[in-house]
This record gives sequence, structure tokens and C-alpha cells, in this order.
Amino acid sequence: SQWGEENLQALSIQEGEDVTMNCSYKTYTTVVHWYRQDSGRGPALIILIRSNEREKRSGRLRATLDTSSQSSSLSITAAQCEDTAVYFCATDNRVVGQLTFGRGTRLQVYA
Amino acid sequence: EAAVTQSPRNKVTVTGGNVTLSCRQTNSHNYMYWYRQDTGHGLRLIHYSYGAGNLQIGDVPDGYKATRTTQEDFFLLLELASPSQTSLYFCASSGTTYAEQFFGPGTRLTVL
Repeated sequence: SQWGEENLQALSIQEGEDVTMNCSYKTYTTVVHWYRQDSGRGPALIILIRSNEREKRSGRLRATLDTSSQSSSLSITAAQCEDTAVYFCATDNRVVGQLTFGRGTRLQVYA
Repeated sequence: EAAVTQSPRNKVTVTGGNVTLSCRQTNSHNYMYWYRQDTGHGLRLIHYSYGAGNLQIGDVPDGYKATRTTQEDFFLLLELASPSQTSLYFCASSGTTYAEQFFGPGTRLTVL
């Protein structure tokens, strides 16, 4: 799980496996962003889930949000080598328009 | 699609040096942000802006100034650079609150 003082997590899986990354946050948020960062590039949004949604899907990606436990998850079904990246969650939980990012999960998918 | 560009892409300076990082976005977004990214820390917000002439302090503002001269342009200034400011800097923009942020390609700064 990524947040607070936790170090960057690393996961290594084989192509075709499913993987879930977790994110917990400390205060109320109206939205959870999930970003993907490829090596040498800036982060890019892959899923945005709002507090009135429990689940959101985009292709092989599935995000969940549990506001009661202040946690979100990102799952990738049948991971491919091209899913190799660092994945960040971010929440709007303090100042309007300001995101707080988690420390990220480094996912390595090998053939 | 929003476009955010940063310059320079790489910069090396010495301790005490003066550095300006530039960011331009071409999608007419109101919000612009400066982050630094260090291994193990994720992205940390330095400064952000709601519009031209506006400046807000982020989570790690010490040692940094910023200026938003137009809706398109946002600058990060390091007036007395220190080795602790060696990092990868990202600029981002967004159209509204809680909306997707579009990131630039980053500037790698090394302070010797």
C-alpha cells in the first residue's frame, strides 16, 4: 500500500497474471486519481474515481474506492509487459486544486 | 490534447547558483503546478497557481520561488541552489479543481 512514510513499493509479476495495487489516504477526498509513469516521462492519468463511485473500469484496469476505510485499489487484469511502469495514487484532500501523491508502486511485468 | 512543455530538459549548476526552470502549457488551463520527484518520495508539490499573477505555496516551498506571468507560462526560480535541490522537476496543468493533471516531460537538475 502506498502512502505516508512507506517506501516506494515494488512488484514483479509474470505476463498474464493479475495484480492489485493499494492506496490509503488520511483525510476525506472527493476523488482518487491513478497515474502511470513510464521511465523518462511525466505521469499520465489512467483512471479517476470519484467519492460517489465504488468502482470504475477502463479496459484491463479496474479502480475501486472505499470511503469508509479511506482506501483505493488499482487492479490490472492479465498484465502485459507494456504495463511495466510506476503507478501513483493521488487525492484531493486538503486545499482546493491540490493533489497529494502517494509514493508509488513500481510494477515490473516480465515475459 | 493538453500540451505541457518544460525547458531546459537537463541543467547542471553549482552550489549558490541561480536557476530558472520554465513551463508552458497550451491548453488554456487555469491551474499550473511545480513538483519535485525524488526516489522514495513520489511527487511533492512545491508551488502552484490559479492564474496569471497568482501564486500558492505547496508542501515543500523552502528555497524556491515561482512566478506565473501569463496563463500559459509558469516559472520556478532557485536563487541560491543547494545540492539538496538536485531532483527531477515536473510541471503540470489542469483545467479545474479535482480534474486530470497533465504533466510535462520533466527537467533534471543537478546542483554540484
